[in-house]
Amino acid sequence: EADIYQTPRYLVIGTGKKITLECSQTMGHDKMYWYQQDPGMELHLIHYSYGVNSTEKGDLSSESTVSRIRTEHFPLTLESARPSHTSQYLCASGAGTGRHTEAFFGQGTRLTVV
Amino acid sequence: SQQGEEDPQALSIQEGENATMNCSYKTSINNLQWYRQNSGRGLVHLILIRSNEREKHSGRLRVTLDTSKKSSSLLITASRAADTASYFCATDGGSNYKLTFGKGTLLTVNP
Repeated sequence: EADIYQTPRYLVIGTGKKITLECSQTMGHDKMYWYQQDPGMELHLIHYSYGVNSTEKGDLSSESTVSRIRTEHFPLTLESARPSHTSQYLCASGAGTGRHTEAFFGQGTRLTVV
Repeated sequence: SQQGEEDPQALSIQEGENATMNCSYKTSINNLQWYRQNSGRGLVHLILIRSNEREKHSGRLRVTLDTSKKSSSLLITASRAADTASYFCATDGGSNYKLTFGKGTLLTVNP
């Protein structure tokens, strides 16, 4: 059982609000990821990190930002939420040596912006 | 753009039958992985196959990889109702850090 936690599990907020989705892992993994998942299943990589103080944008343009000040913590922030941000957000951390990384996922945060 | 593309998008079979899902990708890879997702929850890692491997087994799972065709298949033998889930392939695009997923195959196993 992977020890990666996302909070909150569900969130309903109003347009224009600033929110931070939390993600923490206790496994000491260097690599961490944020994905946005459409209702129709497809996962989009929006941010990733390969260690403290390193963050990269993923393949999907996103208005969110991330930070990696500590190994175990990789929060995602939306400065001004919009209805188009309504989605499920999945956080993952990566284990493995060298070029082969296996990802462990949290349970996700389902965000609704009204 | 997404690296992996699964086929079919949905598959419905009877319990006891085998299920085969395919994944195609676009660029070079170090490895290809398969994950499972139940009811929109977090994904669970099933199996990883390295680019220099052609076939790998884990329990009722069999994965093949053809790097010349940039494709992989996942075979689930003797399926059970509990195998009902979405299945995704993931690739690293040749990088050490990125991990991108395809659109997934929704498998329904009818009792």
